[in-house]
Amino acid sequence: DTAVSQTPKYLVTQMGNDKSIKCEQNLGHDTMYWYKQDSKKFLKIMFSYNNKELIINETVPNRFSPKSPDKAHLNLHINSLELGDSAVYFCASSQYIYTEAFFGQGTRLTVV
Amino acid sequence: KQEVTQIPAALSVPEGENLVLNCSFTDSAIYNLQWFRQDPGKGLTSLLLIQSSQREQTSGRLNASLDKSSGRSTLYIAASQPGDSATYLCAVRDTGNQFYFGTGTSLTVIP
Repeated sequence: DTAVSQTPKYLVTQMGNDKSIKCEQNLGHDTMYWYKQDSKKFLKIMFSYNNKELIINETVPNRFSPKSPDKAHLNLHINSLELGDSAVYFCASSQYIYTEAFFGQGTRLTVV
Repeated sequence: KQEVTQIPAALSVPEGENLVLNCSFTDSAIYNLQWFRQDPGKGLTSLLLIQSSQREQTSGRLNASLDKSSGRSTLYIAASQPGDSATYLCAVRDTGNQFYFGTGTSLTVIP
């Protein structure tokens, strides 16, 4: 009965590769987000989708591209991975933007 | 820059006791504040959300208060149970939809 689930939980890959992280929510929410954990205490927003439409697109490299095939899914695709992309990425959802957010468990990406 | 602090870092109480977890933040220009619990290996479970205009929210045995002007929030847990054992995190959200998390309080409820 997981509300927001991300896969994979851990991802180790080489520089230059392309990878995707998947996110699914079964809460019936309209809004989904991707956050990058900048430090242990700060989650920086990357993208936000509302009903499959992009509503927030912060300044992130265009190597990062979100894809929302339907309202329940928001996947993050990363091209030409760089060492600096290593971080924990969190997916979240909420009924509407700024309402109660539900987070996935995070995906720890390590680029070697 | 927003700084969120939680005290205590760890807390151990016998079952049945009432307890209070504290959260403080340095910038009062927040949009809302949310309390989460985290169990090992799992994601964040939302407990309560307080909008910046609200003073408190209640859900079952949980009550969260917010004093925005002083930069404080508390989470009150009544009649604690072993199943309440987890790490509790508070997070403030700014108008840019960024989340600032506290360091967390690790709670152990002893049967």
